[in-house]
Amino acid sequence: AQSVTQLGSHVSVSEGALVLLRCNYSSSVPPYLFWYVQYPNQGLQLLLKYTTGATLVKGINGFEAEFKKSETSFHLTKPSAHMSDAAEYFCAVSARRAGNMLTFGGGTRLMVKP
Amino acid sequence: IAGITQAPTSQILAAGRRMTLRCTQDMRHNAMYWYRQDLGLGLRLIHYSNTAGTTGKGEVPDGYSVSRANTDDFPLTLASAVPSQTSVYFCASSDTLAAPDTQYFGPGTRLTVL
Repeated sequence: AQSVTQLGSHVSVSEGALVLLRCNYSSSVPPYLFWYVQYPNQGLQLLLKYTTGATLVKGINGFEAEFKKSETSFHLTKPSAHMSDAAEYFCAVSARRAGNMLTFGGGTRLMVKP
Repeated sequence: IAGITQAPTSQILAAGRRMTLRCTQDMRHNAMYWYRQDLGLGLRLIHYSNTAGTTGKGEVPDGYSVSRANTDDFPLTLASAVPSQTSVYFCASSDTLAAPDTQYFGPGTRLTVL
């Protein structure tokens, strides 16, 4: 069984500031990890993913995330927030042996102040 | 434009009524999924289908049924709607052979059951 915990349902940053969205997971088997972004009234878009190999993964729009097995974490970061980054972000996990059934966290709404 | 379409965009429904949410994809993906999104709970898997002719239960299947008569369509039916089924419903698809770790999402259907 897998689970995902996203710390902080709402995060507010100033434009130009560092963005850090936290995600911790639980999985009994090696996981695949994902970050999705949802803009208002839209579906989810894949931001980035970790499957195997390099633990630091880069995604679209300047976001990156690092898989830390010892901490069971997959935090999302961006060095400098832009107003267009305001959205809801979801962390998700799937167990490799179970195909690609995704388990999502509760989501974090990112607000960017001018 | 390739992708996933969902219909209707939104619907208000009286409790006890039957409702079918439609989902069509033109990417020839073998796998399709239905999720519901509720505040603070992220997305939860309702039903899935790994290939035409087969379906499976997800995390929250009660009160919902699906069918997969062909590759492109994956309708979700609420036989007798209840207020707790008020939610935003997302359909997704993936090619589990070519890209097993990536799901593509539709724009969603907002359903209100009164």
